[in-house]
Amino acid sequence: QITLKESGPTLVKPTQTLTLTCTFSGFSFRTSGVAVGWIRQPPGKALEWLALIYWDDDKRYRPSLKSRLTITKDTSKIQVVLTMTNMDPVDTATYYCAHRRTSHWTFDYWGQGTLVTVSS
Amino acid sequence: QSVLIQPPTASGTPGQRVAISCSGSNSNIGSNTVSWYRQLPGAAPKLLMYSNNQRPSGVPDRFSGSKSGTSASLAIGGLQSEDEADYYCAAWDDSLNGLYVFGTGTKVTVL
Repeated sequence: QITLKESGPTLVKPTQTLTLTCTFSGFSFRTSGVAVGWIRQPPGKALEWLALIYWDDDKRYRPSLKSRLTITKDTSKIQVVLTMTNMDPVDTATYYCAHRRTSHWTFDYWGQGTLVTVSS
Repeated sequence: QSVLIQPPTASGTPGQRVAISCSGSNSNIGSNTVSWYRQLPGAAPKLLMYSNNQRPSGVPDRFSGSKSGTSASLAIGGLQSEDEADYYCAAWDDSLNGLYVFGTGTKVTVL
């Protein structure tokens, strides 16, 4: 059974760097084709894809946010970390990590999400 | 700034059929497959449909998806109270350096 869970700060100040961790189980980055992504949702607004990392460490970023985002996976291969620099109040959102179905651009398992508020 | 456009709302009475449209362009729906997600209030999104018309295990067959050109559609047959939720379409977009785009979202209300 695949599960994912996000963790990180609930409140960050403007200009700070946000670091979020996605801890998962039920799959491994040692398996070819595995990928994990991050998606966010501002309160009352639509979903917005941010980044994705593949089993082979290939990465994809939302072009408009690429300069601020970094996605990595740890050596034990059970966590994915997303960092976003220069946080702004408009970045206030619920941040989700999700498992991408192998060979499909679709996210079949999602974490519960974590609300991050950017405020001084 | 979603590039996939959905109607803001849709509604129906229990048992009715409701269809939600998703309008895109050649760089997204026109070139790639469409997924649909359902998001219950206060919950994470859940995959409802992928590859235009494929249901993940556990999704009942009263949900169906289709795609034609640069548009896609999700139909919910036999509407139930638990179907009241937000629905999002999504697809890979080949423009710029590529990105995954979601629709604007449709709130389905069961009357």
